[in-house]
Amino acid sequence: DAGITQSPRHKVTETGTPVTLRCHQTENHRYMYWYRQDPGHGLRLIHYSYGVKDTDKGEVSDGYSVSRSKTEDFLLTLESATSSQTSVYFCAIKRQSSGNTIYFGEGSWLTVV
Amino acid sequence: EDQVTQSPEALRLQEGESSSLNCSYTVSGLRGLFWYRQDPGKGPEFLFTLYSAGEEKEKERLKATLTKKESFLHITAPKPEDSATYLCAVEDNQGGKLIFGQGTELSVKP
Repeated sequence: DAGITQSPRHKVTETGTPVTLRCHQTENHRYMYWYRQDPGHGLRLIHYSYGVKDTDKGEVSDGYSVSRSKTEDFLLTLESATSSQTSVYFCAIKRQSSGNTIYFGEGSWLTVV
Repeated sequence: EDQVTQSPEALRLQEGESSSLNCSYTVSGLRGLFWYRQDPGKGPEFLFTLYSAGEEKEKERLKATLTKKESFLHITAPKPEDSATYLCAVEDNQGGKLIFGQGTELSVKP
């Protein structure tokens, strides 16, 4: 158990609406990540954070923004959802005390109709 | 550009039939190679980290090995509960991010 909670776990939203996914961790880890997983593409990094208010882009960051105002929460926002953002979103943390291993949450299923 | 390729995409085995999954990678400087298991509807579950060529790790029926260009996940006498998608990822020495392969979907029939 990596102490990661994602919310919501499932959401259906309409095209053009804003959506925020929340990742909450209980172990005070510095690094947090948002990935999306799609058939044929595997897991792809959207954004990551290396501390409070310190974030950087991954390989598929267009259309997404993130915020980290406190250590335990990392928010992923779709400003105006599109059907191409229908996906499974995984939050992850890096446990530096365990060989810098990255552990994943259980996922958030987002459908944009 | 860092790249990870896994093969085969899908593998069907009979219970007890040993086999191997391949992960080929190109990376500017390898910090670590990671194997994960993912069950349907779940997040990836960490299995192993390998750091240098020649290193091996074992866990139950799974054994991971690493060379300078690829890693193998050997499955000995698999059972139906080993059925899952196995993911390989690399982290380069510029830090912080994992690059994943597309996974191998393993099915073990009784």
